[in-house]
Amino acid sequence: DTEVTQTPKHLVMGMTNKKSLKCEQHMGHRAMYWYKQKAKKPPELMFVYSYEKLSINESVPSRFSPECPNSSLLNLHLHALQPEDSALYLCASSQEPDRTYEQYFGPGTRLTVT
Amino acid sequence: AQKITQTQPGMFVQEKEAVTLDCTYDTSDQSYGLFWYKQPSSGEMIFLIYQGSYDEQNATEGRYSLNFQKARKSANLVISASQLGDSAMYFCAMRVYNTNAGKSTFGDGTTLTVKP
Repeated sequence: DTEVTQTPKHLVMGMTNKKSLKCEQHMGHRAMYWYKQKAKKPPELMFVYSYEKLSINESVPSRFSPECPNSSLLNLHLHALQPEDSALYLCASSQEPDRTYEQYFGPGTRLTVT
Repeated sequence: AQKITQTQPGMFVQEKEAVTLDCTYDTSDQSYGLFWYKQPSSGEMIFLIYQGSYDEQNATEGRYSLNFQKARKSANLVISASQLGDSAMYFCAMRVYNTNAGKSTFGDGTTLTVKP
């Protein structure tokens, strides 16, 4: 099974709201990733968790707060977002963080900030 | 630093014909992996095929094959017998071994449209 699940599929939130995106994988992968993707563009890496520890933060604004409660779960907490944060948010996982293994992506959460 | 170049923003192919999507890469590292992902309009990125830098044979997965020319630093995706469901955006990507937790570098993508 190569499935990564993400909830919710769609999210509309105001600039003062607090919401969370959730991601889950049961492949035993030790690396998990959050990406942001604008329409017709490649995904942009936001965060990498390696063995449940944050290993890369690509200078993401603090209104995005990642959390990895265990090896299967990854959350992205959202607070005081801006309209330009509207995008598709993709979660991915891979077997090992520092090897050239492929990444498996979830279906994404389409976020709209009003 | 790594770089992936996909020079075809859009491609059209007739159903049942083969199509080649171009990808060139640049890296000074010797150990790396090259990937192709498919992204339909629904948004999910689907892993298609992988080629390791030390693999001597070109990778194949069903109707997908990767034409790996290491000296030219190219990793073109060949889709045989195109189907309507192949219409999507295709991304070429690279990961370098043992660096920066395996960050992927993506190309800008190619939008493939399969005509009936």
